Amino acid sequence: GAVVSQHPSWVICKSGTSVKIECRSLDFQATTMFWYRQFPKQSLMLMATSNEGSKATYEQGVEKDKFLINHASLTLSTLTVTSAHPEDSSFYICSARDPGGGQFFGPGTRLTVL
Amino acid sequence: AQSVAQPEDQVNVAEGNPLTVKCTYSVSGNPYLFWYVQYPNRGLQFLLKYITGDNLVKGSYGFEAEFNKSQTSFHLKKPSALVSDSALYFCAVRDPDRGSTLGRLYFGRGTQLTVWP
Repeated sequence: GAVVSQHPSWVICKSGTSVKIECRSLDFQATTMFWYRQFPKQSLMLMATSNEGSKATYEQGVEKDKFLINHASLTLSTLTVTSAHPEDSSFYICSARDPGGGQFFGPGTRLTVL
Repeated sequence: AQSVAQPEDQVNVAEGNPLTVKCTYSVSGNPYLFWYVQYPNRGLQFLLKYITGDNLVKGSYGFEAEFNKSQTSFHLKKPSALVSDSALYFCAVRDPDRGSTLGRLYFGRGTQLTVWP
């Protein structure tokens, strides 16, 4: 089956630093990747949609300069949280869509900003 | 606008009993519907989807879901629950107007399923 990996699975950083999260589709090419944020016991909040080779489309209220998304290839997308602050602490989940329209999720990255 | 409702925050069942996790949807056209499961501190795992065809969709781990157009529902079911089925379940709908390869997923708020031994 389709597998999506994320790295790192968890990260702790100091306030003001930047953190990069990688999302890879391991056995299929993903023309579209999605980044979600999930707060405890809540549903997923879509942050942005990225298509390979083009700029990401951000949801309303998501700061594009703070959450930088790069989708440089059909198997890799990165989310960089710039100048992270404690309120950015969350569970970040990526998702990749395969050519058949199926959407598969990564295992998530737990970010804790001190 | 597309939306999904999961009316129950929590469902509790005894092991061996049938389970149902409810989902209703609202879309402007023919829906693409999905069920995902999430275990603690993990991403979402795909269970099943309805795009077209038979109203009863069979998925992973013995789960199935029935698409009911007249009731705009897509309830998740399993004939005999296992303790290991305990997890958070999300129903989702994709914007049909943008086709199967485009469009975002709209998620319900999730239902915590607890299966008691």
